Amino acid sequence: DAGITQSPRHKVTETGTPVTLRCHQTENHRYMYWYRQDPGHGLRLIHYSYGVKDTDKGEVSDGYSVSRSKTEDFLLTLESATSSQTSVYFCAISGRQGSDEQYFGPGTRLTVT
Amino acid sequence: QQQVKQSPQSLIVQKGGIPIINCAYENTAFDYFPWYQQFPGKGPALLIAIRPDVSEKKEGRFTISFNKSAKQFSLHIMDSQPGDSATYFCAARMNTGFQKLVFGTGTRLLVSP
Repeated sequence: DAGITQSPRHKVTETGTPVTLRCHQTENHRYMYWYRQDPGHGLRLIHYSYGVKDTDKGEVSDGYSVSRSKTEDFLLTLESATSSQTSVYFCAISGRQGSDEQYFGPGTRLTVT
Repeated sequence: QQQVKQSPQSLIVQKGGIPIINCAYENTAFDYFPWYQQFPGKGPALLIAIRPDVSEKKEGRFTISFNKSAKQFSLHIMDSQPGDSATYFCAARMNTGFQKLVFGTGTRLLVSP
């Protein structure tokens, strides 16, 4: 998984609870991304980062916030989890010199009850 | 205009067959078209990618055919094997400087022995 770890790998939480997912990379890539994967929707971009403290919204950003205080860490926070946020969340990185490739982490399966 | 439409949703072929997965797009600003392969419980992994200045690219048993005028591209898997059973996603990236990908909805391929 190209030096990307995600934690936790599985989480069950209750509606209204705050949740933070962590993505950690050891590749020193500039760009980091959070996607969610749902049946029938493929992968949809939630937020992305193009540097420390530089982030922007993707296509499904409502209800999510992110932070990147270090190159290697990108946090995704659900301020108040809802059942519609039950999904598999993937972190990805890119930005290796001369490469277009995005590398994906192993994913976090989040269930909101 | 940001969408990438992928078909079929699922596909079953016999070992040795040639499954074909199709994708179509509208936005002519897309400049990079990767295909990702995903096994259950894993993150997507880049399989093969193409730029619009070529009509075909082969890597091993995997071939992308690209039709710029029709705004379509497809993945062909030659001599398919049971180990190719996975979900395949096409994607497209706009030439905006940020490496944001737009994904198709995925095709679940089953190669029967």
